[in-house]
Amino acid sequence: QKEVEQDPGPLSVPEGAIVSLNCTYSNSAFQYFMWYRQYSRKGPELLMYTYSSGNKEDGRFTAQVDKSSKYISLFIRDSQPSDSATYLCAMSATSGTYKYIFGTGTRLKVLA
Amino acid sequence: EAQVTQNPRYLITVTGKKLTVTCSQNMNHEYMSWYRQDPGLGLRQIYYSMNVEVTDKGDVPEGYKVSRKEKRNFPLILESPSPNQTSLYFCASKEVANTGELFFGEGSRLTVL
Repeated sequence: QKEVEQDPGPLSVPEGAIVSLNCTYSNSAFQYFMWYRQYSRKGPELLMYTYSSGNKEDGRFTAQVDKSSKYISLFIRDSQPSDSATYLCAMSATSGTYKYIFGTGTRLKVLA
Repeated sequence: EAQVTQNPRYLITVTGKKLTVTCSQNMNHEYMSWYRQDPGLGLRQIYYSMNVEVTDKGDVPEGYKVSRKEKRNFPLILESPSPNQTSLYFCASKEVANTGELFFGEGSRLTVL
């Protein structure tokens, strides 16, 4: 079993839809949770960062962490064609760590 | 502009021909790392460096070497490339004290024939 599981998609939605992206994990030591966005032919860029459980909102994006279920989510409201990208979840266990575990990424396409 | 620069961006080579992929960052970050990205496997860490002259293995170090002689540079060396090293490679850097934000380069697509 992989430490982090992520549905690869692809996920196609119409413009304006609410998108839900998810990852599950098995290591209860993970405390830091991140979502990266990767456009085609580009490197990943940090979108959201959350410590421990709870919600974090940034504009149209909301990150949720449920440590009891070992489940994290990224919600995108009012999705736009410019949100079309691959979304990678990432996790680490300690602050200042060198070790990140990435999900395989979910490919999202928002149709105009 | 803050950035991580990798070269070459695209390379086709043959088995056994030594190659180096360079990585340079201009943010004075202590930490640098190399990842490879393969379909269905995601990003896997090859090597990382916490500072100059300090390097350590990641999850998939076999067939790779690195060096960190200067803070800004972290080259990835393939001494004798093999076809299973065909992949998309990313260099990343961050401040050691910062957990979240890894800054990635734009990637180097390597094909080994």
